[in-house]
Amino acid sequence: ETGVTQSPTHLIKTRGQQVTLRCSSQSGHNTVSWYQQALGQGPQFIFQYYREEENGRGNFPPRFSGLQFPNYSSELNVNALELDDSALYLCASSPGGQGKIWEQFFGPGTRLTVL
Amino acid sequence: GQQLNQSPQSMFIQEGEDVSMNCTSSSIFNTWLWYKQDPGEGPVLLIALYKAGELTSNGRLTAQFGITRKDSFLNISASIPSDVGIYFCAGQLLPTGSYQLTFGKGTKLSVIP
Repeated sequence: ETGVTQSPTHLIKTRGQQVTLRCSSQSGHNTVSWYQQALGQGPQFIFQYYREEENGRGNFPPRFSGLQFPNYSSELNVNALELDDSALYLCASSPGGQGKIWEQFFGPGTRLTVL
Repeated sequence: GQQLNQSPQSMFIQEGEDVSMNCTSSSIFNTWLWYKQDPGEGPVLLIALYKAGELTSNGRLTAQFGITRKDSFLNISASIPSDVGIYFCAGQLLPTGSYQLTFGKGTKLSVIP
């Protein structure tokens, strides 16, 4: 069984640019959540997708947007990058709708640096 | 965003010692989870708790869901060097339908051989 994978592992962008991060959920999982983890902090919830629909959003501006595809993989898009967007971006998948839906399993993350 | 109060912030222990860390919140949670994160990696789920008062073990790890639903603790017995890392508690708030997790700031554990 393949776990959660994310790409790319590292990314460097400049302020004002746009970025797309990708996530493949664990086999059998239809729910994907995205988190931002600043250095020395716990992960902060950005949003969640369930069966291709947004299913909850944290306190992040609209320039953070996402998609979920029919195969349950997901993208996180960030427009007009700011220096404070530098962080580790984590994707987590969960079974959703059956079994223990609250158990979220994380990928290794994408380290984004904004210069 | 709201975070859980996790303590201690860091701890240094001798190999073989037992460890205890806890999480508190002013809000009620219906689920608590404990994760461990190694440098440069994503959090790995250790234990999940679903019912108030529940006590669950996973090898040398034991976690409990507080009766008030506002706290949880994690114990590690007979620590070993590979226990080094950052431990996070995470909870799901009521009411919500999105199953989003709220995380503490973590407890950094160092084990001295």
